[in-house]
Amino acid sequence: AQKITQTQPGMFVQEKEAVTLDCTYDTSESNYYLFWYKQPPSRQMILVIRQEAYKQQNATENRFSVNFQKAAKSFSLKISDSQLGDTAMYFCAFRGGADGLTFGKGTHLIIQP
Amino acid sequence: DSGVTQTPKHLITATGQRVTLRCSPRSGDLSVYWYQQSLDQGLQFLIQYYNGEERAKGNILERFSAQQFPDLHSELNLSSLELGDSALYFCASSVSLGAAENTEAFFGQGTRLTVV
Repeated sequence: AQKITQTQPGMFVQEKEAVTLDCTYDTSESNYYLFWYKQPPSRQMILVIRQEAYKQQNATENRFSVNFQKAAKSFSLKISDSQLGDTAMYFCAFRGGADGLTFGKGTHLIIQP
Repeated sequence: DSGVTQTPKHLITATGQRVTLRCSPRSGDLSVYWYQQSLDQGLQFLIQYYNGEERAKGNILERFSAQQFPDLHSELNLSSLELGDSALYFCASSVSLGAAENTEAFFGQGTRLTVV
């Protein structure tokens, strides 16, 4: 079974600064996807970014980028120029095969003005 | 708006009771997933249906069951409810089935179940 580890329960960051959220995973599968989801106070689960394991190039979506290190089984999320609206729980997630997503325990990110 | 609709948004019920949560996937999505989010267990995958058939099971209790109907909407049935079943239940949908294809899942806003 897959395991996702997020070691940062909570983080405080000043507005406009950059922040990196860490995630490591454990799997024996060769074909899989990794995701970062954001859950703001509204509780909606919002996909932030996705990385296919077979792609060496790190995914980017505007201010969000990942550092995918396949050999190290590491998948960190960098948020540049953080904004107040980035305040949320951030979950790292894994999917391999036909199963559902396996989530980490989350990092509570608070952006301070 | 993700396009995934869950009803009801909130549900309060007593221990021992049975409830049904409903999910309408995005138009065109054949896969439906159910997840449970609780304070102690975090986000857990419960079960997946694809085009009416059960395809994968996660940490779903025997007291819980689900089905997907011909119109692709899905229902999650929770019976003999216990206090520990209080949680946020999410439905998500995606176009395809496996990791080899587009696996982006869109989540509904969840049903908040409170068992008293």
